[in-house]
Formats: sequence, structure tokens, C-alpha cells
Amino acid sequence: EVQILETGGGLVKPGGSLRLSCATSGFNFNDYFMNWVRQAPGKGLEWVAQIRNKNYNYATYYAESLEGRVTISRDDSKSSVYLQVSSLRAEDTAIYYCTREGRRSDFDYWGQGVMVTVSS
Amino acid sequence: DTVLTQSPALAVSPGERVSISCRASEGVNSYMHWYQQKPGQQPKLLIYKASNLASGVPARFSGSGSGTDFTLTIDPVEADDTATYFCQQSWNDPRTFGGGTKLELK
Repeated sequence: EVQILETGGGLVKPGGSLRLSCATSGFNFNDYFMNWVRQAPGKGLEWVAQIRNKNYNYATYYAESLEGRVTISRDDSKSSVYLQVSSLRAEDTAIYYCTREGRRSDFDYWGQGVMVTVSS
Repeated sequence: DTVLTQSPALAVSPGERVSISCRASEGVNSYMHWYQQKPGQQPKLLIYKASNLASGVPARFSGSGSGTDFTLTIDPVEADDTATYFCQQSWNDPRTFGGGTKLELK
């Protein structure tokens, strides 16, 4: 069974930084692209970042709105993906979801999400 | 970026047929996917690559379209289908989502 679990959320002051972790199991992590998607309270889904697998040289892509403030990384030995977000702003307050990108380029499995609140 | 446009809300009665549209600002081939999100839950994949039913999804759900215009159809609608539906494209980088269509039952 595929499992995805995000951790690392919480309350952060504006200007602060946070590292979110996403631990996975139940599939061959090395084969898949992984993404982070976020959802501000009462709003829609916003794609944040993608990291491809070794076959694609671990290429990374970022949403323009966050570029320069986020870094996605992965550790294939731990079947985990990470999102480092810095210079946090109130508008970064959201649930952050970790998703597996399936072979059909869909987001076929999602974690439960982790809440990040940016407030003083 | 590829902008995906969805109507914000729809209201239908149980037993009816409903179509939810998604228009892309540029062609996405067939790489359009649909997700259902209920309050307090993570999104769930319904349809992949425009018209393929994801595993475990009832056959009441179907998808169609290619290029720039796509449709998610639910027929017949049931009370449990109350949710927000999002389209998402993966043909162009970066991946993008539509704004979501909130489906309410009368």
C-alpha cells in the first residue's frame, strides 16, 4: 500500500524558514517524480515544486511565485522528499501536500498534508 | 504558464447529470487530469489523461476532451459527490491547476 506522510509544519514568524519532510513507502520511490502542492485556507490548489528522479538527473522545477525561496530535494535511500521554504510570508500560510507523480504524469497519491501558518 | 479556467460553482439535484468544464490557455494534448476534494481531505485522483477512470472510482464519473477543452461528467449525481473538483495539466511545465468547481446538491 502506498503511504505518504508529511511532517514539519507549524507556526512560523514572518521572515522565518521551515523544512517540510515527506516520507513514503509502498512503492519504488526511485522510479517516480515527486511534487509539493499547497492550498491556502479556503482557496484552490497551487503547484509548488517538482523533483524528478535519477533518470532525469534529479531536475527540479519551481512555481514562479516562490522561486528563490524554495528548494526541493530528495533522498532515495530514505524514500523521502523535502521542501525548504525561506523568507516566509503570511501568504505562504497553507496546507502543504506531498504528491507522487504517476507514470501517466498525474498526481496519483497524496499525503494528508501539513499545515504551515506564518504569523507573528 | 498554462492557465486552466473552471466555472466556480454548480448546483444540481441528485440523479441529474452534471458537466464540469476546464479550458486551457494553450494545448495540453490529453494530459489533463481531474481530482475531487471533499472538505478536510486531500485531493483524490478521479480521471487521468482526459478520459481514463482512476482505480476504484465509480463509473458514474467520466472525462472527455483534448487540446484545450475538457469536461468531467457525473451521471447520475449522488449526494456523496458534494465536493470541489479541480483539473490539472501535466503537458506543459510548470504543472498547473484550475481554480476548482464547487459542486453543491440541491
